[in-house]
Amino acid sequence: TQLLEQSPQFLSIQEGENLTVYCNSSSVFSSLQWYRQEPGEGPVLLVTVVTGGEVKKLKRLTFQFGDARKDSSLHITAAQPGDTGLYLCAGYNTGNQFYFGTGTSLTVIP
Amino acid sequence: EPEVTQTPSHQVTQMGQEVILRCVPISNHLYFYWYRQILGQKVEFLVSFYNNEISEKSEIFDDQFSVERPDGSNFTLKIRSTKLEDSAMYFCASSVRQGGSEQYFGPGTRLTVT
Repeated sequence: TQLLEQSPQFLSIQEGENLTVYCNSSSVFSSLQWYRQEPGEGPVLLVTVVTGGEVKKLKRLTFQFGDARKDSSLHITAAQPGDTGLYLCAGYNTGNQFYFGTGTSLTVIP
Repeated sequence: EPEVTQTPSHQVTQMGQEVILRCVPISNHLYFYWYRQILGQKVEFLVSFYNNEISEKSEIFDDQFSVERPDGSNFTLKIRSTKLEDSAMYFCASSVRQGGSEQYFGPGTRLTVT
């Protein structure tokens, strides 16, 4: 089993603050994706990163893939209540299996 | 915008009964997947399917589980004899390609085994 550990597990911040969520593994992944999941719904894809060191921006969200393709981070600038949700990283290994991280539950307080 | 759909949204069944969960993937996608999420736990990969056969399966996907694409649109997950521990959200996903291609998830079926 290829483990993707996310930290922190829970995060509660005030509107307007910045935050970073981390996704770490001892395994190398050919690509890594970030999803957001609302209660009772399926994960919704935010971004895919493929190249080591790659940085992608999606409005106030910045995603980075580690140089060794073992870790990733999600940075949110000026968080808003609408950012509240469960953030999941998921990695694709060379065996064509897809592993989800343990998740980070974010609450943004107005 | 095309989306993955799943039916039913909630299925309640008694232990030992067979259930079939249905999914309609995005029409031009070629790879299909089932995942499971037990309440409060992480999403777990069950199986991937391509060209009418299983590509990969996890340890969870034992002989009690089977998948099928009975026609050109539906993709089903069958659990032959449900156990209490099968209670979970089951998500279907599809993608255009494999190997890191973006997967799009359906809204899930909540399975409750009593």
